[in-house]
Amino acid sequence: DAGVTQSPTHLIKTRGQQVTLRCSPKSGHDTVSWYQQALGQGPQFIFQYYEEEERQRGNFPDRFSGHQFPNYSSELNVNALLLGDSALYLCASSPGRDRGFLNTGELFFGEGSRLTVL
Amino acid sequence: AQRVTQPEKLLSVFKGAPVELKCNYSYSGSPELFWYVQYSRQRLQLLLRHISRESIKGFTADLNKGETSFHLKKPFAQEEDSAMYYCALRSGGGADGLTFGKGTHLIIQP
Repeated sequence: DAGVTQSPTHLIKTRGQQVTLRCSPKSGHDTVSWYQQALGQGPQFIFQYYEEEERQRGNFPDRFSGHQFPNYSSELNVNALLLGDSALYLCASSPGRDRGFLNTGELFFGEGSRLTVL
Repeated sequence: AQRVTQPEKLLSVFKGAPVELKCNYSYSGSPELFWYVQYSRQRLQLLLRHISRESIKGFTADLNKGETSFHLKKPFAQEEDSAMYYCALRSGGGADGLTFGKGTHLIIQP
């Protein structure tokens, strides 16, 4: 099991452009969360997807949107990029939201996609 | 709003010395607290959860609701403990996103 995989690992964009980041969850996991980690900061929760719907959202503007596919993989889209969007974007997967005791709160993280906005 | 504070950006101790990484939180309900760790060139991973009351790699953490703290402790530090440590909070009973602190970089000197 390769665990959580993310692509691309690095990318550079300019202000105003749009970006799409991709994530495949760990085998057996159906819930995907996205986090933004700016330099020197802890990860900040963006949103969570389960059953192809956004279930919870952190304090991020509508420029940040996502999608989950039937195979549980997910995309994070950011429109109208700002310099402040430069960060490491982490994807994390976990067993189903509604699986009671299986939902231990443990998240399995990918290695991240490092976005630089110039 | 919930918040997690890790007051130390960097903590350096000698091998064999005790370690305490501080974590304070603010949350009005009953939170679930976690410690995540990131070793060099590895991905972020769970170290321990307050609910399980376990010791992992010699580390323990006790939730103190009176002081709203969840400090991470180890009696005798080892060089392999050098890493970034993040304290995180989840609102109790849910499957919600985690609120992380800014992290503490622990360096164990030989």
